[in-house]
Amino acid sequence: AQTVTQSQPEMSVQEAETVTLSCTYDTSESNYYLFWYKQPPSRQMILVIRQEAYKQQNATENRFSVNFQKAAKSFSLKISDSQLGDTAMYFCAFARTTSGTYKYIFGTGTRLKVLA
Amino acid sequence: EAQVTQNPRYLITVTGKKLTVTCSQNMNHEYMSWYRQDPGLGLRQIYYSMNVEVTDKGDVPEGYKVSRKEKRNFPLILESPSPNQTSLYFCASSLRGGEYEQYFGPGTRLTVT
Repeated sequence: AQTVTQSQPEMSVQEAETVTLSCTYDTSESNYYLFWYKQPPSRQMILVIRQEAYKQQNATENRFSVNFQKAAKSFSLKISDSQLGDTAMYFCAFARTTSGTYKYIFGTGTRLKVLA
Repeated sequence: EAQVTQNPRYLITVTGKKLTVTCSQNMNHEYMSWYRQDPGLGLRQIYYSMNVEVTDKGDVPEGYKVSRKEKRNFPLILESPSPNQTSLYFCASSLRGGEYEQYFGPGTRLTVT
């Protein structure tokens, strides 16, 4: 069974600093997609970044980037120049696609607090 | 405005009283899904639908039913709610699942006493 593990329940970072959130996953499939979603206190889930497993190049979206290590099954999120608005719960998620259906598995989340 | 709507946003009910949480999207998405969010457990997929009349179980389907008679709607039905179904529920939709971004509704806070 596929699993997604986020080993850091809580983290904090000073404003303008860089922080890395870790995520590991377990799968025997070769084709899949990985995501990071953000859930601020408003509870709204928002996509931060996504990565296709067949692409070796790490995805980047403005201040957000990932370090995708396929062999190690690792998918960490780096937030540069942290802002107060980055305070949120962050979920790593895995989408299975090879079977013709699309099931999603989420990690347990990392609560990030950005300190002024 | 492109959005996923859920109703009700908050619901307190009693054990055994059937309820339905509605979900609707206006983006013509094929894929829709229901999740429950519990502290320390993250989001867990309950059911999903690849298209009209096509639904399948997620990881935690017990005690829930769904239907997809129209593309835009994907209601979640609890035939006989129990206290362990107290949770925060999210509906989401995406163009076709898989690599596509999921758009989430605002969530429904359900309490079963």
